[in-house]
Amino acid sequence: QVQLEESGGGVVQPGRSLRLSCAASGFTFNNFAMHWVRQAPGKGLEWVAFISYDGGNKYYADSVEGRFTISRDNSKNTLYLQMNSLRPEDTAVYYCARIRGWLFDYWGQGTLVTVSS
Amino acid sequence: QSALTQPRSVSGSPGQSVTISCTGTSSDVGGYNYVSWYQQHPGKDPKVMIYDVNKRPSGVPDRFSGSKSGNTASLTISGLQAEDEADYYCCSYAGSYILIFGGGTKLTVV
Repeated sequence: QVQLEESGGGVVQPGRSLRLSCAASGFTFNNFAMHWVRQAPGKGLEWVAFISYDGGNKYYADSVEGRFTISRDNSKNTLYLQMNSLRPEDTAVYYCARIRGWLFDYWGQGTLVTVSS
Repeated sequence: QSALTQPRSVSGSPGQSVTISCTGTSSDVGGYNYVSWYQQHPGKDPKVMIYDVNKRPSGVPDRFSGSKSGNTASLTISGLQAEDEADYYCCSYAGSYILIFGGGTKLTVV
């Protein structure tokens, strides 16, 4: 069955960096585009970034453009999110999600990132 | 990239119907037939209930239906059940591989 498992979250000071990983299994990873979506505590969902199946196309939400970088290693079935210059407003649960067409059909369980001094 | 507009909360009694609206612009909801709806129970990851405006994934009860008119999409849940109590989010494609979510609606089954 399809499984997505995020890791790498934790507590980090403002201005520092963190890299999230998402290990995929149960499907042919390199056939699917992937996304990162986040949810601040008690708040709604916010789309963060997209990467095409081969890593050739990447797009970002305005709120993270220039600070976050999405990437993937298809040989390792793993999706990444490099987060630099972190701000308190980046505090959220970060989900990786598989996309089929224009719907998110599978989500991970999420990893919590807390940006605080 | 402004969030789509949803009511903060709706409520209904068991067996009744409720409709949740999702208003965007001609650049997102109105411009594409790629609106999806997600159900999220507390502490859980979201689950897709409707996609491409009005399509239901296998396993989703036919009590859930979607529609769109102009820049506003709607999710209707008929025959409300206690387990439908959750947060609901709409999501629309907005071009250039960008997706936009609504602010979320808390459904209470009273």
